[in-house]
Amino acid sequence: RKEVEQDPGPFNVPEGATVAFNCTYSNSASQSFFWYRQDCRKEPKLLMSVYSSGNEDGRFTAQLNRASQYISLLIRDSKLSDSATYLCVVNRPTSGTYKYIFGTGTRLKVLA
Amino acid sequence: DAGITQSPRYKITETGRQVTLMCHQTWSHSYMFWYRQDLGHGLRLIYYSAAADITDKGEVPDGYVVSRSKTENFPLTLESATRSQTSVYFCASSDFPSEKETQYFGPGTRLLVL
Repeated sequence: RKEVEQDPGPFNVPEGATVAFNCTYSNSASQSFFWYRQDCRKEPKLLMSVYSSGNEDGRFTAQLNRASQYISLLIRDSKLSDSATYLCVVNRPTSGTYKYIFGTGTRLKVLA
Repeated sequence: DAGITQSPRYKITETGRQVTLMCHQTWSHSYMFWYRQDLGHGLRLIYYSAAADITDKGEVPDGYVVSRSKTENFPLTLESATRSQTSVYFCASSDFPSEKETQYFGPGTRLLVL
């Protein structure tokens, strides 16, 4: 079992739809959580950090559930430009330092 | 320009050759990372560095060597390239430990080993 797991998708949704992704993590010592976006053949870029109280950035809302060890990303009013792969990332302590663990990503296709 | 750069962007080499991928960042971030990305595996950590002269293995370090004599540079060397090392390589730096802990990625190097 991978330490960070995501549904690979693809999620095909029409423009204007609301779509949600979940990500589960297995290490309860994980401390920081992020969603990154990666466009085809490009580098990953930070979409948003995920805070315990949940946080929102425009059409994007992230939630963290420590008890169940999952994080979620909700995208409202999907745009064509939202088509990308969304990576769940967890930062956890290891051997006196910290390590970022990446999920394999969830592909989103927003259709006209 | 400020940021994180990688060179070369594309590289074709032959099995057995030594290849060095360069990574340079201008933010003076302490942490730097090397990842490879392959279909079905996502991003896998090869090596990371917490500061100059401090490096440590990641998930898939075999066949790779790193060094970090200066904070801004973190080269990755494939000592004797193999076909299984054909991949896209991303370098990243992080402002960890900080409030944001964001990782910033370079544009990637696409390596083909024949």
